[in-house]
Amino acid sequence: EAGVAQSPRYKIIEKRQSVAFWCNPISGHATLYWYQQILGQGPKLLIQFQNNGVVDDSQLPKDRFSAERLKGVDSTLKIQPAKLEDSAVYLCASSLDQGRGYTFGSGTRLTVV
Amino acid sequence: GESVGLHLPTLSVQEGDNSIINCAYSNSASDYFIWYKQESGKGPQFIIDIRSNMDKRQGQRVTVLLNKTVKHLSLQIAATQPGDSAVYFCAENGSGTYKYIFGTGTRLKVLA
Repeated sequence: EAGVAQSPRYKIIEKRQSVAFWCNPISGHATLYWYQQILGQGPKLLIQFQNNGVVDDSQLPKDRFSAERLKGVDSTLKIQPAKLEDSAVYLCASSLDQGRGYTFGSGTRLTVV
Repeated sequence: GESVGLHLPTLSVQEGDNSIINCAYSNSASDYFIWYKQESGKGPQFIIDIRSNMDKRQGQRVTVLLNKTVKHLSLQIAATQPGDSAVYFCAENGSGTYKYIFGTGTRLKVLA
């Protein structure tokens, strides 16, 4: 089966600019997650979707981050405006349902200068 | 708060030797644990999981041990190969939820 697809692979922006990341999960996977991985650290959950509904966004900085999964398939994560501390790899993962192991994409590496 | 940590940030082993990567978790309510392998430039890859009603689970060349008494998890890799070089993360599901909390990670270096 095809894996979790993410784009772009790399992005460099200036602080205060906006950026968007895209994720296409494995076909049929109802649950989709966005994680932030700062260099040298483990991934940290930002938001979890079940189909097109948000299950958990308690760690999403909502003043600048937003995410949507309108049709229950693809998802976008947006940062507006970006800060230097947002430099990280943004990982998307999907699973058949909650409680199952995830499959991660390769991530988008964001550098904010 | 909930946290997952690792004792050793870097582990160097000789090719062919066995590797043991350790992890301490803090939430006694966690009932599901996963080990992930992350190679440079890639997302984490599932290795093996274990539920809290077990204390040992074996896969191909890997074994996970769970000690709930001291809240400790370990990953054993038999006959370590160059392809095993990566960062390894343990993750717990924290209070029985469906979101996984990852530790900082241990870098495994395999020496030829």
